[in-house]
Amino acid sequence: AQSVAQPEDQVNVAEGNPLTVKCTYSVSGNPYLFWYVQYPNRGLQFLLKYITGDNLVKGSYGFEAEFNKSQTSFHLKKPSALVSDSALYFCAVREQAAGNKLTFGGGTRVLVKP
Amino acid sequence: NAGVTQTPKFQVLKTGQSMTLQCAQDMNHEYMSWYRQDPGMGLRLIHYSVGAGITDQGEVPNGYNVSRSTTEDFPLRLLSAAPSQTSVYFCASSYSNRVGYEQYFGPGTRLTVT
Repeated sequence: AQSVAQPEDQVNVAEGNPLTVKCTYSVSGNPYLFWYVQYPNRGLQFLLKYITGDNLVKGSYGFEAEFNKSQTSFHLKKPSALVSDSALYFCAVREQAAGNKLTFGGGTRVLVKP
Repeated sequence: NAGVTQTPKFQVLKTGQSMTLQCAQDMNHEYMSWYRQDPGMGLRLIHYSVGAGITDQGEVPNGYNVSRSTTEDFPLRLLSAAPSQTSVYFCASSYSNRVGYEQYFGPGTRLTVT
């Protein structure tokens, strides 16, 4: 069965510093990986996805993620964090062997301090 | 486009009551789904639909019913509410159920069962 792990419940970073949110996955076939962000009292918003091709994927709001097949990871990164990036971030995976269902990690809360 | 809309935003039920959470999308999306969000557990799939007239169970379907008579609407029915169903419920839609397509989420319904 497919699964996603986000090992950090919370990440604290100073504004202007690099931000990394970690994600590892487990699938039996080819993974299709997604990052979503949830601002307080809002639904989830799509940030970026990895389907195939370049291992470095660029998405919305200056975020990017690096797919690493050997480490089964898909870490989310931003070179210079903003206070407005403070939110809950979810990694998710889909694979055809699981009926294309989307499985989410438990989420990582990011707090960017001024 | 309004995107994915959900009503109500908040609801309090007593144990044993029934109710329907409404979800609609105006993007002509084929795939729709319901998730529940509980702290530290990410989002878990309740039911999903790959088109009008077609529904299937997700990871946590017990206590919930769905139907999809039109492309636009995908209501979720709680048959006899229980405190364990206290959660935030999100509806999502996607152009296709194929693995490469991201999902778009509604703003959520916060349900409390007393």
